[in-house]
Amino acid sequence: SQTIHQWPATLVQPVGSPLSLECTVEGTSNPNLYWYRQAAGRGLQLLFYSVGIGQISSEVPQNLSASRPQDRQFILSSKKLLLSDSGFYLCAWSEGSGRGNEQYFGPGTRLTVT
Amino acid sequence: AQTVTQSQPEMSVQEAETVTLSCTYDTSESNYYLFWYKQPPSRQMILVIRQEAYKQQNATENRFSVNFQKAAKSFSLKISDSQLGDTAMYFCAFMKTLKNARQLTFGSGTQLTVLP
Repeated sequence: SQTIHQWPATLVQPVGSPLSLECTVEGTSNPNLYWYRQAAGRGLQLLFYSVGIGQISSEVPQNLSASRPQDRQFILSSKKLLLSDSGFYLCAWSEGSGRGNEQYFGPGTRLTVT
Repeated sequence: AQTVTQSQPEMSVQEAETVTLSCTYDTSESNYYLFWYKQPPSRQMILVIRQEAYKQQNATENRFSVNFQKAAKSFSLKISDSQLGDTAMYFCAFMKTLKNARQLTFGSGTQLTVLP
């Protein structure tokens, strides 16, 4: 069966510091991968998605970037964090090649920027 | 652009009773998918049920069922025989097709509390 991991689970970082959040998927090949952010008391907003290694699409302009160095690894980064980057970050996967109509979410990372 | 509206920020229901959560959406697409996700206090997003827009039959998953009204762009979730473990934030979501990928647009959520 497929599993999706995210780490760290929680993170407290000062403004201006760098960020690296990691997401990995097991039990599937060539998945589509997604990063979402959930602000307090709100729904999820899609930040990035990837249909393959090195292929990143951004849905909203922002202070963050994403990379996919391996087939089942998706990384969310920032060079300098802003207070507004605080939130709950969720990674999701779906079947690739246009076949996946369901997205499955990881456990999330709670980021607090101080 | 697609929008998803959940007009009930909070709801409560007695254990073993039935509750219905509302969702409306706006789109110009004819073929799409709709979902309900559940987010318990652990904050894990769990898929509850999905509906294909081209199917007229309402989806059902055990105690969870939907009332899909395509013309009205309405997609409500009915939970029967509510259990304490159903307490969670429930999100309605619309899926549109991107280039070889899918985008989920979420509503703002409904916090459901099941009372003992």
